[in-house]
Amino acid sequence: KQEVTQIPAALSVPEGENLVLNCSFTDSAIYNLQWFRQDPGKGLTSLLLIQSSQREQTSGRLNASLDKSSGRSTLYIAASQPGDSATYLCAVRQDSNYQLIWGAGTKLIIKP
Amino acid sequence: NAGVTQTPKFQVLKTGQSMTLQCAQDMNHNSMYWYRQDPGMGLRLIYYSASEGTTDKGEVPNGYNVSRLNKREFSLRLESAAPSQTSVYFCASATGSSYEQYFGPGTRLTVT
Repeated sequence: KQEVTQIPAALSVPEGENLVLNCSFTDSAIYNLQWFRQDPGKGLTSLLLIQSSQREQTSGRLNASLDKSSGRSTLYIAASQPGDSATYLCAVRQDSNYQLIWGAGTKLIIKP
Repeated sequence: NAGVTQTPKFQVLKTGQSMTLQCAQDMNHNSMYWYRQDPGMGLRLIYYSASEGTTDKGEVPNGYNVSRLNKREFSLRLESAAPSQTSVYFCASATGSSYEQYFGPGTRLTVT
């Protein structure tokens, strides 16, 4: 059974730092992996989606990588800003399955 | 282009009452999903619809029913609300090829 883990559960860093959020999964037979952001009391916003055949995806200051063989994905945030404060979730789609398997999220606080 | 919309935003029910949560998307997506999000439990899939005319159970379907009214609309019904159904409910839809999911703003439901 696929399990998705995000460590750490919470992270607080000063503004301007580059940082990495981690997502690990137990079954490498994935279709794709998606990173989301959730602000308090709000819905989820899709940040990046990496297909199983891809190694990384970039959007602005965000870069997500995927290593299927080791069961890991990282979300790199460059030059962090207070507006980046949110909970970041990763979710894995298994092959031929419509369901996403979710991590519990990393709560990120960027201190001004 | 409104994306995924949900109504209502907030609702308070008494135990035993019924209600329907509405969801609509204007992105011409084939698949749609209903999740609930509870503190410490993460996101859990209630029901999903891979395409118009089909629905399937997710991880926590008990106490809920769904209707895929047409390609745009997917509703979630609580026939007899229970306090354990107090939660935030999210609707999502996904593209047909990459299955990238897009979320609505959520409905905060309290059952007393």
